[in-house]
Amino acid sequence: NAGVTQTPKFRVLKTGQSMTLLCAQDMNHEYMYWYRQDPGMGLRLIHYSVGEGTTAKGEVPDGYNVSRLKKQNFLLGLESAAPSQTSVYFCASSYPITSGRQETQYFGPGTRLLVL
Amino acid sequence: AQTVTQSQPEMSVQEAETVTLSCTYDTSESDYYLFWYKQPPSRQMILVIRQEAYKQQNATENRFSVNFQKAAKSFSLKISDSQLGDAAMYFCAYRKTSYDKVIFGPGTSLSVIP
Repeated sequence: NAGVTQTPKFRVLKTGQSMTLLCAQDMNHEYMYWYRQDPGMGLRLIHYSVGEGTTAKGEVPDGYNVSRLKKQNFLLGLESAAPSQTSVYFCASSYPITSGRQETQYFGPGTRLLVL
Repeated sequence: AQTVTQSQPEMSVQEAETVTLSCTYDTSESDYYLFWYKQPPSRQMILVIRQEAYKQQNATENRFSVNFQKAAKSFSLKISDSQLGDAAMYFCAYRKTSYDKVIFGPGTSLSVIP
């Protein structure tokens, strides 16, 4: 049981390049989330998904797109990277609260992204 | 909109002593969840403790306990018998029951002095 995994762990991009971050979870969780973490700002929600085939915007969605084609995977895409997107990206997953299961979010190890 | 505030950017504590980290939040909801997460240098986010707003009893997990003051919208974390491994960033977080996004505070960096 690997929990939540993220690929890659670290990446350097040039401005304008594109890339996709992969999040995978093996806990059969319905809900998945993408956050970014910047110094002094805690974690901010980018996008989230409440189930396979559905996605929704969080606090800071601009410049990112997501897809949830399979329940266990949640992809975060940057179509044209900008230096302002230099950050640490965390994926998380959880059962929905209405399921009666634990509402805690389980986090992946993070992906460091540097955009030059 | 809900907000979470941590007014102490940095704190320090002597090993074996007790420290309290502060958190306040703003919400118009009556039912919700509150969490404290720990983020060590490895950057992994680790759940420390959680509290359901409808429960009056303060949550406790070994050396970690909270002081939940619902009317004051305050949720502080007390760490007893501090250990070197407690050194980390601590994030207070809020989650509305019917809406599953989690809102995080800016974090408090805790140092433990040997």
